[in-house]
Amino acid sequence: GDSVTQMEGPVTLSEEAFLTINCTYTATGYPSLFWYVQYPGEGLQLLLKATKADDKGSNKGFEATYRKETTSFHLEKGSVQVSDSAVYFCALSVYGNKLVFGAGTILRVKS
Amino acid sequence: DSGVTQTPKHLITATGQRVTLRCSPRSGDLSVYWYQQSLDQGLQFLIHYYNGEERAKGNILERFSAQQFPDLHSELNLSSLELGDSALYFCASSVEPAGEQFFGPGTRLTVL
Repeated sequence: GDSVTQMEGPVTLSEEAFLTINCTYTATGYPSLFWYVQYPGEGLQLLLKATKADDKGSNKGFEATYRKETTSFHLEKGSVQVSDSAVYFCALSVYGNKLVFGAGTILRVKS
Repeated sequence: DSGVTQTPKHLITATGQRVTLRCSPRSGDLSVYWYQQSLDQGLQFLIHYYNGEERAKGNILERFSAQQFPDLHSELNLSSLELGDSALYFCASSVEPAGEQFFGPGTRLTVL
């Protein structure tokens, strides 16, 4: 079946450090890929998405590139802020009926 | 604010009881999805409705059921509750089945 594997956390970084959160997937069809963010006590917000190979999704300084050859969609940010502290979820959707999520990665940014 | 509303925000109940969670999608969205977030299982898809009809089922227990009403709001009914049903239940909506999903703030269910 379809699945998403993302790196375990928590990831602890200092402000202005470079962030990478790894995500790989297995899918029976041709998936769309997503990164969602969950701030404490809130629901999930879509951070960025990519719908086909080599697409780059970007938003708020975050980027991820859809790599079909390595079945990956790693999240990166050049300079993190304390306000980026949250849980990040990688997800895929194949037929538009549901999202399949990874386990989530906790990011903590220290000032 | 995503425009998706869920009530109640918190629910505390006892084992064996039945509860109903309510979701109002964004204006104009025809699709409603339910997800369960728990510490041991993570975020899991439960069920998808589109314009009143069930479109897909995920890991939803037989004790759970859902429906989408003509005004497009949806309810998730959980019965014969067990301790393991304690979780955050999220609703999401989209304009169409393949569209971007917008999530509500969730209902935190605690079963004692």
